[in-house]
Amino acid sequence: AQKVTQAQTEISVVEKEDVTLDCVYETRDTTYYLFWYKQPPSGELVFLIRRNSFDEQNEISGRYSWNFQKSTSSFNFTITASQVVDSAVYFCALSRGPLVYGGSQGNLIFGKGTKLSVKP
Amino acid sequence: NAGVTQTPKFRVLKTGQSMTLLCAQDMNHEYMYWYRQDPGMGLRLIHYSVGEGTTAKGEVPDGYNVSRLKKQNFLLGLESAAPSQTSVYFCASSYSRQAGYEQYFGPGTRLTVT
Repeated sequence: AQKVTQAQTEISVVEKEDVTLDCVYETRDTTYYLFWYKQPPSGELVFLIRRNSFDEQNEISGRYSWNFQKSTSSFNFTITASQVVDSAVYFCALSRGPLVYGGSQGNLIFGKGTKLSVKP
Repeated sequence: NAGVTQTPKFRVLKTGQSMTLLCAQDMNHEYMYWYRQDPGMGLRLIHYSVGEGTTAKGEVPDGYNVSRLKKQNFLLGLESAAPSQTSVYFCASSYSRQAGYEQYFGPGTRLTVT
């Protein structure tokens, strides 16, 4: 079975601090995809990144960076020099690979989310 | 493009009433999904559809029915609402059968069952 664990329920930081959100996943699939979504206080879900299981390269996008380590089944998200606008709930999610039989390939399994509060 | 839209945005139901939530997408996506979000629970998949005329159960399908008569629309029905169905409902869509395409989410419907 697939599972995503975000052990940090809430994190509070002061602006300009760096913060890392942890994500640990479980799957028996050899191919799979990992995602991060942001849910700001307005409630919509915003896609941040997708990573496939064959690509362990870290990725950086501005102040955001992601560290994917298959050896520890983790896909952690770091925000550098946090800002108040980063305050949101962040979800890590997992989907199965394209070879899965039965049509459930695209289904996302979400973690419970980490609420990040960035104070000025 | 409007993306994914959901109707209505808010609704209050009494126990036992029925209602239908409408999801529409204008991106010609094959896959569509209904999730519910409850405090501290993340998002959980209710039902999904891999194409027009097909639907399948997700993680928490009990008490809900769905239909996908047109490719662009995915309807979620509650036949007899219960307080346990108080939640925020999100619809999403994605490209083709290949996994790895991100899902595009609607703005959500906040449903309260009293």
